[in-house]
Amino acid sequence: GAVVSQHPSRVICKSGTSVKIECRSLDFQATTMFWYRQFPKQSLMLMATSNEGSKATYEQGVEKDKFLINHASLTLSTLTVTSAHPEDSSFYICSARGGFSGGTSTDTQYFGPGTRLTVL
Amino acid sequence: KQEVTQIPAALSVPEGENLVLNCSFTDSAIYNLQWFRQDPGKGLTSLLLIQSSQREQTSGRLNASLDKSSGRSTLYIAASQPGDSATYLCAVRKAGNQFYFGTGTSLTVIP
Repeated sequence: GAVVSQHPSRVICKSGTSVKIECRSLDFQATTMFWYRQFPKQSLMLMATSNEGSKATYEQGVEKDKFLINHASLTLSTLTVTSAHPEDSSFYICSARGGFSGGTSTDTQYFGPGTRLTVL
Repeated sequence: KQEVTQIPAALSVPEGENLVLNCSFTDSAIYNLQWFRQDPGKGLTSLLLIQSSQREQTSGRLNASLDKSSGRSTLYIAASQPGDSATYLCAVRKAGNQFYFGTGTSLTVIP
């Protein structure tokens, strides 16, 4: 089955530093990747959508200069939280949708295991 | 704007019981609906995906139904097991990429 990995799984950083989170599709080509954020006891909220080779589309209220998304290849997307602050502490999850070898494609989003970010 | 509601917010049942989780959404113009499972501190695991043209999907002990016109979906879990304990999320997708998630139902299956 399709597997999406995220790295790191957990990160603790000081306020003001930047943190990069990687999202990889391991056995399929992710033409579209999504980044979500989940605060405690709240549901997932879509932050942005990225298509390989083009700029990400951000949801309303998400600062594009603070949350930099790069989708440079069909298997890798990165989310960089710049100048992180304690209010950015959250659970960040990526998901991917795309095609498999042999020409089949899937409408299903496959989710990564998430990254727990804690900003001190 | 699409709003997704899940009832109940929490559910506790003894092992072996059958149970139903409910999901309702306000805008019936959806592309598909997906049920997920989330374990504490972990990411999401997709359970079932129902396209807007479908009425139900089954996988093992799980059965999900969709009534688009009334804006409802249910997830039926048969013969519940302690390993089923998790938070269950439903998400509706509109044409394009926008997903709207419910707040989830926290399920505890008591041995």
